[in-house]
Amino acid sequence: DVKVTQSSRYLVKRTGEKVCLECVQDMDHENMFWYRQDPGLGLRLIYFSYDVKMKEKGDIPEGYSVSREKKERFSLILESASTNQTSMYLCASSLGGTEARAYGYTFGSGTRLTVV
Amino acid sequence: GIQVEQSPPDLILQEGANSTLRCNFSDSVNNLQWFHQNPWGQLINLFYIPSGTKQNGRLSATTVATERYSLLYISSSQTTDSGVYFCAGSSGGSYIPTFGRGTSLIVHP
Repeated sequence: DVKVTQSSRYLVKRTGEKVCLECVQDMDHENMFWYRQDPGLGLRLIYFSYDVKMKEKGDIPEGYSVSREKKERFSLILESASTNQTSMYLCASSLGGTEARAYGYTFGSGTRLTVV
Repeated sequence: GIQVEQSPPDLILQEGANSTLRCNFSDSVNNLQWFHQNPWGQLINLFYIPSGTKQNGRLSATTVATERYSLLYISSSQTTDSGVYFCAGSSGGSYIPTFGRGTSLIVHP
């Protein structure tokens, strides 16, 4: 089974701190994604990457950046955390191209970030 | 982009009851998935179902792509079915799905 591992389950940070959320997948997936989940809003795509060093903005990229230096690792960076970034962050991965459609996504277990 | 509406938003069942969850799309979808998020936050892919019907144990799903909807059936519900159910789909050449807001299911013993 594909495993997508997120580095922290719970995280508490102060306003203005730099925050880095790490995601690692072990099945050589081409695509990786970062979502945030808020009550009543479902999952909203922040950024995704379809290859090493490649990144694309999702629906809500403001206030975030990403890094993908290796195929298995996709990092989400909050340069200066704010209270409105308190949320559940979910990482996902999938195969590339048409195979992504056939096999769908695998999600990590999430990081619940609180910014105080 | 594509709009995804899920209904009902909330559902409370007694153990053993059956239920149907619905997902409507604003456009034709070519990449439709159903997910279950357990109370601890883990999202599990239940079905990849761009069209037709699939079954997995007590769960089954049907997608009618031409009419832009998908249904998830849960039969003989159990307390472990509790959580949030999401559908997600994409249209055109995109493989990036848009998620609905979810149906929150509580199954009481």
